[in-house]
Amino acid sequence: AQSVSQHNHHVILSEAASLELGCNYSYGGTVNLFWYVQYPGQHLQLLLKYFSGDPLVKGIKGFEAEFIKSKFSFNLRKPSVQWSDTAEYFCAVNARAGGFKTIFGAGTRLFVKA
Amino acid sequence: DSGVTQTPKHLITATGQRVTLRCSPRSGDLSVYWYQQSLDQGLQFLIQYYNGEERAKGNILERFSAQQFPDLHSELNLSSLELGDSALYFCASSASGEPKETQYFGPGTRLLVL
Repeated sequence: AQSVSQHNHHVILSEAASLELGCNYSYGGTVNLFWYVQYPGQHLQLLLKYFSGDPLVKGIKGFEAEFIKSKFSFNLRKPSVQWSDTAEYFCAVNARAGGFKTIFGAGTRLFVKA
Repeated sequence: DSGVTQTPKHLITATGQRVTLRCSPRSGDLSVYWYQQSLDQGLQFLIQYYNGEERAKGNILERFSAQQFPDLHSELNLSSLELGDSALYFCASSASGEPKETQYFGPGTRLLVL
């Protein structure tokens, strides 16, 4: 069955540290990839998405993600995190192989210490 | 605020009962998605509607049903409730339900089955 794996369930960083959250998926073929974020007390919202073109995608709030097809990965990065980045981050994938149903990873809770 | 509204915010009910969750999509969006988020299963896709018609089905139990009405709001009906149905139920909407589109999420309905 198709799946999306997020390697870290919890990450704790100090402000100004660099962030990389892993995401791997099991679909073959063409995929559409998303990172969503849920800030405390708020709804899920899109950070960035990739479906074609430059595999390095830039999103809001200084986040970026790199699609590496050979590794079935779409890792999220930020060079310097802020306290306000404390949130839960979800990787999501849909693909023709899965009938284009969006599958979410389990999420990574990021806590940034001020 | 994503523009997607969900009612009620919280719902407490007993096993064996039936409840209806309501979702109003963003103005202009034709497609609605339902997701279930539980502690052990993460965010699971249930079902998608586009302009009143079912478009995709995920891990939705037979006890659950949904529909999208002519005014584009959607309802998720959960019947013969079990303890394990306790979860956060999210609705999302997108413009035309295409796989590359951003989904805009509502605040969720928290269901507790006692």
